[in-house]
Amino acid sequence: AQSVTQLGSHVSVSEGALVLLRCNYSSSVPPYLFWYVQYPNQGLQLLLKYTSAATLVKGINGFEAEFKKSETSFHLTKPSAHMRDAAEYFCAVSDPGNDMRFGAGTRLTVKP
Amino acid sequence: DTAVSQTPKYLVTQMGNDKSIKCEQNLGHDTMYWYKQDSKKFLKIMFSYNNKELIINETVPNRFSPKSPDKAHLNLHINSLELGDSAVYFCASSQETGLYNEQFFGPGTRLTVL
Repeated sequence: AQSVTQLGSHVSVSEGALVLLRCNYSSSVPPYLFWYVQYPNQGLQLLLKYTSAATLVKGINGFEAEFKKSETSFHLTKPSAHMRDAAEYFCAVSDPGNDMRFGAGTRLTVKP
Repeated sequence: DTAVSQTPKYLVTQMGNDKSIKCEQNLGHDTMYWYKQDSKKFLKIMFSYNNKELIINETVPNRFSPKSPDKAHLNLHINSLELGDSAVYFCASSQETGLYNEQFFGPGTRLTVL
């Protein structure tokens, strides 16, 4: 069965600094991978998804993620953090015949 | 226009009561889901409906019963509420069968059982 592991339940960066949120997956077949963001008191919103096309995926709000099969990783990055990026971020994996599995989430804090 | 909507947004109730949460999507999607998010933000799928048929039922107590009058609606009814049911419940929908596709989430219903 597929699964995802998000390294670090809490990441804190300064405004303007690089954001790096880590996600590793396991899947027996080529997976689809997703990053979702949850702002306080809101539902989950799709940031980006990997569907076996380009390995570097660009999403909304300046985020991007790179699929690395050799490392089974799909880390989320943003060159320069904004205060409005403070939220909970979820990595998710799905493949044919299986349901979508979410990671435990990483809370991003942005310091002024 | 709201794509996936849920009512109520907040629900506070006593143990032992029965309550329902409603969900509607106007995206024309075939599949709808219910998730439970606990206090640690862990997100767990509860149910999935495709064209009014249940296709996933994870290990959820039978006090929880999803009801889908049509493919645009998936309501969640909970009997004999317990303290451990306190959580945020999210409804979601996707275009096709299964979870291989992007899901659109509702704003959540925060359930507090006293």
